[in-house]
Amino acid sequence: ETGVTQSPTHLIKTRGQQVTLRCSSQSGHNTVSWYQQALGQGPQFIFQYYREEENGRGNFPPRFSGLQFPNYSSELNVNALELDDSALYLCASSGGPTDSGNTIYFGEGSWLTVV
Amino acid sequence: AQSVTQLGSHVSVSEGALVLLRCNYSSSVPPYLFWYVQYPNQGLQLLLKYTSAATLVKGINGFEAEFKKSETSFHLTKPSAHMSDAAEYFCAVSVPGANSKLTFGKGITLSVRP
Repeated sequence: ETGVTQSPTHLIKTRGQQVTLRCSSQSGHNTVSWYQQALGQGPQFIFQYYREEENGRGNFPPRFSGLQFPNYSSELNVNALELDDSALYLCASSGGPTDSGNTIYFGEGSWLTVV
Repeated sequence: AQSVTQLGSHVSVSEGALVLLRCNYSSSVPPYLFWYVQYPNQGLQLLLKYTSAATLVKGINGFEAEFKKSETSFHLTKPSAHMSDAAEYFCAVSVPGANSKLTFGKGITLSVRP
């Protein structure tokens, strides 16, 4: 049990639709990162939020966007869904973006299927 | 930019045998290195991490890894495999100043035979 909770756990969307995934970070953690894990692959960094500001982005198009709220929870939004967006989306929280002493905790993930 | 190579997608060992999962990294600056385990339909659990202290790192569940700069490696070992070790294992790298942004390898599936 990491204290990082994600919702929903599973969802099915149609190509072209929009989806919002949610993450509650571990208590005291102000940094949230999102990763996409396609079937049979390692997780890929989408972006990170630190104190409500985007703090780095991976190689994902602008239709992937996010938010972080004052309580440090976060949302991942994906517009104009494509079949290749089908994946496990993982949220990770940590006490800060640069402290090497931090442990990065992952949630159980949200399984998105685009049909 | 950083990268991780995990050669082979699947390793099978007998229960009680040595587990060796290989990881090689590329980084332009001294890296931080991590091993995560993922059980079916679950998120990632940290096994161990190297953050420039001791080169031999001990983790949970009897796993350890050794950072070898000359070989750019961070192989994961466990002296005696247990059936419960069957899972997907991911090696990841980050860099100081951005150490909560991880670059993962493709992962290795570990099977343990009775």
